[in-house]
Amino acid sequence: QLQVQESGPGLVKPSETLSLTCNVSGGSISGSDYYWGWIRQSPGKGLEWIGNILYSGTTYYNPSLKSRVIVSVDTSKNHFSLKLSSVTAADTALYYCVAGSPPVIWGQGTLVTVSS
Amino acid sequence: DIVMTQTPLSLSVTPGQPASISCKSSQDLLHSDGKTYLFWYLQRPGQSPQLLMYEVSSRFSGVPERFSGSGSGTEFTLTISRVEAEDVGIYYCMQGLHVPLTFGGGTKVEIK
Repeated sequence: QLQVQESGPGLVKPSETLSLTCNVSGGSISGSDYYWGWIRQSPGKGLEWIGNILYSGTTYYNPSLKSRVIVSVDTSKNHFSLKLSSVTAADTALYYCVAGSPPVIWGQGTLVTVSS
Repeated sequence: DIVMTQTPLSLSVTPGQPASISCKSSQDLLHSDGKTYLFWYLQRPGQSPQLLMYEVSSRFSGVPERFSGSGSGTEFTLTISRVEAEDVGIYYCMQGLHVPLTFGGGTKVEIK
């Protein structure tokens, strides 16, 4: 059964880059046509779709974040990643990695706090 | 962006009674392929969201038959025919027609 699990720092300083990794188990990233993506949840903004990627490398981003976001896939490690640059307190949220479109498989989420 | 608006914000339901949640989109969610890209999720307390319904009215794998979805165009409804204790949580609609995918603000369902 396909599962995804987020990992990364829980605290990021303002203006720095948030980096998260999503490990995929129970299946191969390159062996499926799933979209692999990121969604975040905060009290102020609810559920916000960040972006996703196909194993081929085609990406789709939320225009509101596009200038700061990179989603990438590493098929050799069977994981995909999120980088969000120039973070502010508004980027504090629970970050989920997801698989599928619509997202059908969700990680448990990882809380990222932006604070000095 | 397509704006998704849910009502009510919260719902308190007696077990065994029905419940309905409304979701309205700012644009028609019908694709040229004939599918309507409206989805429903349930986020139980302390858990990640889980997919309940896809393309308006199709139940995802394992979803009980008491859940049903209806609607077209810009107006949609999720109905629980007889609410059970395990149905508590926050329900979200989501549109998948256009990037960015967008979610409604959520409807909190609790048991009386």
